[in-house]
Amino acid sequence: NAGVTQTPKFQVLKTGQSMTLQCAQDMNHEYMSWYRQDPGMGLRLIHYSVGAGITDQGEVPNGYNVSRSTTEDFPLRLLSAAPSQTSVYFCASRTALKEKLFFGSGTQLSVL
Amino acid sequence: GESVGLHLPTLSVQEGDNSIINCAYSNSASDYFIWYKQESGKGPQFIIDIRSNMDKRQGQRVTVLLNKTVKHLSLQIAATQPGDSAVYFCAEKGAGTASKLTFGTGTRLQVTL
Repeated sequence: NAGVTQTPKFQVLKTGQSMTLQCAQDMNHEYMSWYRQDPGMGLRLIHYSVGAGITDQGEVPNGYNVSRSTTEDFPLRLLSAAPSQTSVYFCASRTALKEKLFFGSGTQLSVL
Repeated sequence: GESVGLHLPTLSVQEGDNSIINCAYSNSASDYFIWYKQESGKGPQFIIDIRSNMDKRQGQRVTVLLNKTVKHLSLQIAATQPGDSAVYFCAEKGAGTASKLTFGTGTRLQVTL
């Protein structure tokens, strides 16, 4: 199994540009989520989904959109990138009944 | 709000020695705790977890201890190896399906030869 796959691994954007971070999992997990990781801070939840067609906001949702059209995919969209969104982004998934999250390898995003 | 924190940013341990990484939590209602290992440039990897109805849980070379009285969690790594060098962080979750994992900031473990 590939587990949780994230693309791209690195991305540089200019302020105001848009882009989509891709996330796919092949474990048939109901729950998927996006986190950002910044120096000196713990992982912070951006958005999450408990199943296809259902999404909800996490701790830091502003500036990000998500959708969940299939069980496997959970893309994260930045509509108008800002320097404050420079971070490492992790996608994670788990089953509905377990708390253990499985993480992807991350996307390092720089917004200039 | 409640938060989870780690006491030390860096822990240096000699190869072969045991490592102890500590975590303090403040939410007395937390009922689930988990440790992750994160190597440079990689995503967090699950190490071990424990529920609040347990005090200790052992895995392969790792042991997690939970002291609910003082709200303290620790990860013990036996016979530390160079491959154990990474950032380790804990997370806690309150009771209920609506509760989410809250992550600590991490401790860097450096294994010296």
